[in-house]
Amino acid sequence: QKEVEQNSGPLSVPEGAIASLNCTYSDRVSQSFFWYRQYSGKSPELIMSIYSNGDKEDGRFTAQLNKASQYVSLLIRDSQPSDSATYLCASRGYQKVTFGTGTKLQVIP
Amino acid sequence: GAVVSQHPSWVICKSGTSVKIECRSLDFQATTMFWYRQFPKQSLMLMATSNEGSKATYEQGVEKDKFLINHASLTLSTLTVTSAHPEDSSFYICSARAPGQGSTDTQYFGPGTRLTVL
Repeated sequence: QKEVEQNSGPLSVPEGAIASLNCTYSDRVSQSFFWYRQYSGKSPELIMSIYSNGDKEDGRFTAQLNKASQYVSLLIRDSQPSDSATYLCASRGYQKVTFGTGTKLQVIP
Repeated sequence: GAVVSQHPSWVICKSGTSVKIECRSLDFQATTMFWYRQFPKQSLMLMATSNEGSKATYEQGVEKDKFLINHASLTLSTLTVTSAHPEDSSFYICSARAPGQGSTDTQYFGPGTRLTVL
């Protein structure tokens, strides 16, 4: 089992819709979770970090964490074509951050 | 967020030569930096963890003698690809851990270095 699992996609949503990206992790001691956005040919860019159960909102982005279910999600409201990218989920365990393989999001104009 | 720079942003070299890539944290001190490699359409692969003032910790399968890492100061880590070959052509990305309270420290990525070995 991979430490951080994501559906590779692509996930296609129409412009203006809500995009929902999901991630599960296996290391129960993980305390910090991150969502990164990576455009093709570029390095990852941090979008959100979340440490506590529940929701955390930042603009059009909402991260959700459920430690009991070992589940992290990212919601993107009012999706824009510029949101089209690969989204990487990451969890921080004892010593290092582990990344998922990423979900490719396509926002259709 | 914190800023991490990498230099050069791209490099083309001949097979057998060595290439040095620099990673700098510009507005914070990073006791720990990480080096990743990413092949086209694949995920990030952690190569090594670089700790200031000590030897780097390499991931399984990464050759220490081929990928030399030096973390001489709290703001600079370097990766040297020695005797580069075409199969080393990849996108090399560094990240630096910005300190936070407890477990809230966060990794910020540099812009990456695209290496092409002819």
